[in-house]
Amino acid sequence: SQQGEEDPQALSIQEGENATMNCSYKTSINNLQWYRQNSGRGLVHLILIRSNEREKHSGRLRVTLDTSKKSSSLLITASRAADTASYFCATVYAGGTSYGKLTFGQGTILTVHP
Amino acid sequence: EAGVTQFPSHSVIEKGQTVTLRCDPISGHDNLYWYRRVMGKEIKFLLHFVKESKQDESGMPNNRFLAERTGGTYSTLKVQPAELEDSGVYFCASSLLSAGNYGYTFGSGTRLTVV
Repeated sequence: SQQGEEDPQALSIQEGENATMNCSYKTSINNLQWYRQNSGRGLVHLILIRSNEREKHSGRLRVTLDTSKKSSSLLITASRAADTASYFCATVYAGGTSYGKLTFGQGTILTVHP
Repeated sequence: EAGVTQFPSHSVIEKGQTVTLRCDPISGHDNLYWYRRVMGKEIKFLLHFVKESKQDESGMPNNRFLAERTGGTYSTLKVQPAELEDSGVYFCASSLLSAGNYGYTFGSGTRLTVV
């Protein structure tokens, strides 16, 4: 399986509900980042959590990181139709000479119905 | 502040032709990355420039791909000759620091279709 696998692959919810997406990875990481991609647009950086952090908040976003399980979750609270997008986790490897390159998961397609 | 700009946004070419993609990073960002997403697959790293030097090109699929960043400003990615499997979305990202500690700014991507 790939570094940075995500589940579910697709998630469909109603406006106002919470959306939770999960990400697993394989190697030791420096940090883990979440990105959003709206249809036809570029990737937008949402939030970064470092390997020594366990939880981080930004507005309606909450990210957790469990380095012992090599997993992370992204929670979007009180979702809106405008949150409809693809969400990707990406890790920055802790060792070697990766120079900060990102390793992405396959992404979760979130659809929020009005 | 202008973001990362990529063009063209779309390109349709025939197999065997040459295509050149361009990326203009945020001014002052020494680090420039190229990524690619082939249909149905994850986004994959292609290469990383620091100024005009290639820091890491381990993700370049083969020698049909040539990336340059003359003068350390904009970068080009040339595919010659293009093959069907090169179809996908090519993203460029830039950052001030190379360690990825602050997130990256991505361009909107170039959707390449090889027919």
